[in-house]
Amino acid sequence: GNSVTQMEGPVTLSEEAFLTINCTYTATGYPSLFWYVQYPGEGLQLLLKATKADDKGSNKGFEATYRKETTSFHLEKGSVQVSDSAVYFCALSASMTGYALNFGKGTSLLVTP
Amino acid sequence: IAGITQAPTSQILAAGRRMTLRCTQDMRHNAMYWYRQDLGLGLRLIHYSNTAGTTGKGEVPDGYSVSRANTDDFPLTLASAVPSQTSVYFCASSAFGGSSTGELFFGEGSRLTVL
Repeated sequence: GNSVTQMEGPVTLSEEAFLTINCTYTATGYPSLFWYVQYPGEGLQLLLKATKADDKGSNKGFEATYRKETTSFHLEKGSVQVSDSAVYFCALSASMTGYALNFGKGTSLLVTP
Repeated sequence: IAGITQAPTSQILAAGRRMTLRCTQDMRHNAMYWYRQDLGLGLRLIHYSNTAGTTGKGEVPDGYSVSRANTDDFPLTLASAVPSQTSVYFCASSAFGGSSTGELFFGEGSRLTVL
């Protein structure tokens, strides 16, 4: 089935540093791609999404581009803030279980002042 | 506020006991899901339901059962809990068809500890 692999954390950055979290996928067909964020003690919430090749999803200063040629959907932000400290999950639409998403293992980000 | 409500928020349970985690959504979404989250393993799908009256098995269904009697409710039952079922459980829902892009909406989670 469809799957994603994302870089392992934890990632520690200073405030205003540039962030990249890598995500690559394996899929049949053309799945939708997502980044979710989980703040401490909370459920997951959608950060951004892209539904077709070359689409760029963006939200709250975060961006990710659906690259079919490299099967990637890397998350980037130009200047991180302390409030961005969270766990980030890459996900794609599953092919075998209805409309479920398959998630990566998550990357923990800690931003220090 | 519209969304997904899970209960209980947290529970400690003796091994061998039966436990039902409740999930209710008020968004009239077609599909609902149960995931478990474990450190280092991310989120893994337990069971799903595309519409009321239908259910399917996910990646890790053993030891769990679900039912979908109506659109809003999707309870998850552990018939005889074991320590390996200690986890944080998330219920989610999604719409599909029309303009939907497949986004999942998550509840706040239920933390279950089996001793």
